[in-house]
Amino acid sequence: GDSVTQMEGPVTLSEEAFLTINCTYTATGYPSLFWYVQYPGEGLQLLLKATKADDKGSNKGFEATYRKETTSFHLEKGSVQVSDSAVYFCALSRAGRRALTFGSGTRLQVQP
Amino acid sequence: DVKVTQSSRYLVKRTGEKVFLECVQDMDHENMFWYRQDPGLGLRLIYFSYDVKMKEKGDIPEGYSVSREKKERFSLILESASTNQTSMYLCASSLPTGAAYEQYFGPGTRLTVT
Repeated sequence: GDSVTQMEGPVTLSEEAFLTINCTYTATGYPSLFWYVQYPGEGLQLLLKATKADDKGSNKGFEATYRKETTSFHLEKGSVQVSDSAVYFCALSRAGRRALTFGSGTRLQVQP
Repeated sequence: DVKVTQSSRYLVKRTGEKVFLECVQDMDHENMFWYRQDPGLGLRLIYFSYDVKMKEKGDIPEGYSVSREKKERFSLILESASTNQTSMYLCASSLPTGAAYEQYFGPGTRLTVT
């Protein structure tokens, strides 16, 4: 079945550091890929998405590129801020299945 | 903006009680979902509904049931709450278009069963 694997957290960085959160997936066909973010005390919000190979999703300084050859969708940001502290979830969807498949989430802590 | 609301942010119930979690969305979405979120396990799908009175089991439906009598409202029911159902419960909704649709989430209900 479908699965999403994320790097374990927490990831602790200093402000302005470079961020990478790794995500790899297993799925049949050609899934769409998503990153969701969950700020403390809130529900999940879509951060970015990519619907086909080599697409790059971007939002709020975050980027991720859909790499079919490595089945990966790593999240990156060049300079993190304290306000980026949150839990980040990688997810996939594919035709024929209405629900998303989520990874286990990666907690990011950014220190001033 | 799409809004998904959940009836309670925090709930404490006793073992054996019947528990109702309510979710309402205001964007006329066909699909609605219930997930539970546990540390290290991410989000796991309990049930979803693709139309009024229509439902399908997700990955972990045991101990839960759902009800969708109106398009905007999707209820999760714990028939007889147990301590292993202590968790964060998240409701979501979406349009039924293809594989690239976005799911919109409510703020979650943190349920504690004692």
